[in-house]
Parts: sequence; structure tokens; C-alpha cells
Amino acid sequence: DADVTQTPRNRITKTGKRIMLECSQTKGHDRMYWYRQDPGLGLRLIYYSFDVKDINKGEISDGYSVSRQAQAKFSLSLESAIPNQTALYFCATSDFISGGEETQYFGPGTRLLVL
Amino acid sequence: LAKTTQPISMDSYEGQEVNITCSHNNIATNDYITWYQQFPSQGPRFIIQGYKTKVTNEVASLFIPADRKSSTLSLPRVSLSDTAVYYCLVDSSGSARQLTFGSGTQLTVLP
Repeated sequence: DADVTQTPRNRITKTGKRIMLECSQTKGHDRMYWYRQDPGLGLRLIYYSFDVKDINKGEISDGYSVSRQAQAKFSLSLESAIPNQTALYFCATSDFISGGEETQYFGPGTRLLVL
Repeated sequence: LAKTTQPISMDSYEGQEVNITCSHNNIATNDYITWYQQFPSQGPRFIIQGYKTKVTNEVASLFIPADRKSSTLSLPRVSLSDTAVYYCLVDSSGSARQLTFGSGTQLTVLP
């Protein structure tokens, strides 16, 4: 969805390096998410944010940190990258309706390779 | 954390109806079920969402039995362009947000 952009689209880095993946959205949504996708494992939630002041850990937050700079921007950092963080990373936004009714809109993904 | 299970792959022919089932035995009372479609090199895309019974939109139907321990995505009259990976998601919107995606079902539509 062009309304959710991720940079870079591909990244190769070395073990121990700090890297940042960025996500921007023009949909005006308050809620934003970071996931990683590994072959055969589906998507797993890393962090989520309900608004600029609200950030929460997801299922697999160890080794990651996030920053919500503005409603439209949500960045994911790997403080010291390790090879098992090699994966496809997706950012998503959502329009919360009520209860659990919520549609997520995903970015195109960032493919990260840690050597 | 809710656990979801889907078949790894399915094959179908153009024009047939395809049903993909996801089991989620420990779904909580307020959890919603959502299905997403993903093409290679793209992010997942929303298909349909439901809480109970049946939901239908312009592209699919979602059947959820009374015990809510499974759900079935139904795609009517599939075409080659429906070849993709389909994920079910159990969305727990409690105080600690839990989003449990299934591992995905690769649907291949044959001519």
C-alpha cells in the first residue's frame, strides 16, 4: 500500500552494527506496528504503538527498540545486529474501529541480511 | 497467546471454490479473526474480518462456528491471480495486545 512506506527496502549489515528501519504513513492512523516474517513462521509482532506517547512490546521485542517520532513515523532499531535477526520486516498501521475490529495496512517490507 | 494452525499448502483449479480453515482452539471471548492475503515481495493485504457466524464481502466469505475454535475463509470461483499465501490472524484487543498470525497457507490456482 503506497500510503505506508518503508526505508530502506533492502539492507545488508554486519554483526554488531546498529541499524534503523524507518516507516512512514499518510493514512492518518494512530496505531502502528512492527513485525518480522521468517520462512514458515508467519508474522510475529515486535512492537506496537497506539499513539505517539504509547509504545508497547510485542511477542519478540528482545534485541529491538522503537521510536515514535510523530503520528506518521515509527522507527525500528537493532542496537547490535546479530545473524538471527535476518528476516523480512514489515510496518503496519491500523484504523481502530471498536473492540477488536481493526484493519491493518502493511508497508512493502524491508529485507534485512545480517552477516 | 492464542495458537493458530493452518494447512501449509492447497491446490485448486480456476473457477472452483476454495475453503481454507484455520484452527484457534484457545481463542478468547473478545478476539476477532482476520484473514490476510500476501503476494511475493509485498506486504499482507486485508481480506475479511469476523467475530462469529458468517461475514461476506465482495471477495470472500468467512465462516465461524458457534464454538469459535476454527474459522474458514471461502474464496468463490478462484482465478490464477488468487495464487498467494493466506494468513489467519487472531486479534486479542485486551490490555496487552496479542496478534497471533498463522504460519500461512500457500494457495496455488492451476489453469
